[in-house]
Amino acid sequence: GENVEQHPSTLSVQEGDSAVIKCTYSDSASNYFPWYKQELGKRPQLIIDIRSNVGEKKDQRIAVTLNKTAKHFSLHITETQPEDSAVYFCAASLGGTASKLTFGTGTRLQVTL
Amino acid sequence: SAVISQKPSRDICQRGTSLTIQCQVDSQVTMMFWYRQQPGQSLTLIATANQGSEATYESGFVIDKFPISRPNLTFSTLTVSNMSPEDSSIYLCSGLGGAAEAFFGQGTRLTVV
Repeated sequence: GENVEQHPSTLSVQEGDSAVIKCTYSDSASNYFPWYKQELGKRPQLIIDIRSNVGEKKDQRIAVTLNKTAKHFSLHITETQPEDSAVYFCAASLGGTASKLTFGTGTRLQVTL
Repeated sequence: SAVISQKPSRDICQRGTSLTIQCQVDSQVTMMFWYRQQPGQSLTLIATANQGSEATYESGFVIDKFPISRPNLTFSTLTVSNMSPEDSSIYLCSGLGGAAEAFFGQGTRLTVV
């Protein structure tokens, strides 16, 4: 089955700096790659996703890039703010309306003042 | 996007007893899933809740321990049976939206004593 690795496990950046989180996946058939943000005690929330027919997607300060050949994808957060502090999970699936997600191990992002 | 209401939000249970967790979606969804999340860790898929048929369990999870029901396209339950302290965890249900994006219930924090 699918295996998703995520790095780093913790990341501390100063407010205003950029943060990058990287994931690799094993199943070349995977074609849907979402990113979730989970604040302490809260449910995971989808923040951005990308499908294999595009290489990059951006939504304001957040962007995701995908390299299908290398089987890795990354989350980029620019101009970080304290409210960006949370645990971020990448995931991969085969896409479609019946596909389960395999999650990465998570990255705890701390944005310091 | 659709909203899942999950209950109970937390419970403390005696070992050997069972707890049933309920999830109600405010619209019909094709797929629902159940995850377990140990504190500070990633999400592990327990099973896919299939409407009108038996759930599909992931490796390491069995129906006798985690019976699942899905009587219609908006509702599912997960029962944690014959609980032991090792079952203490956060349990999350998830549904797939129209674009195959996953959204989550608020989670059930279970403590077995």
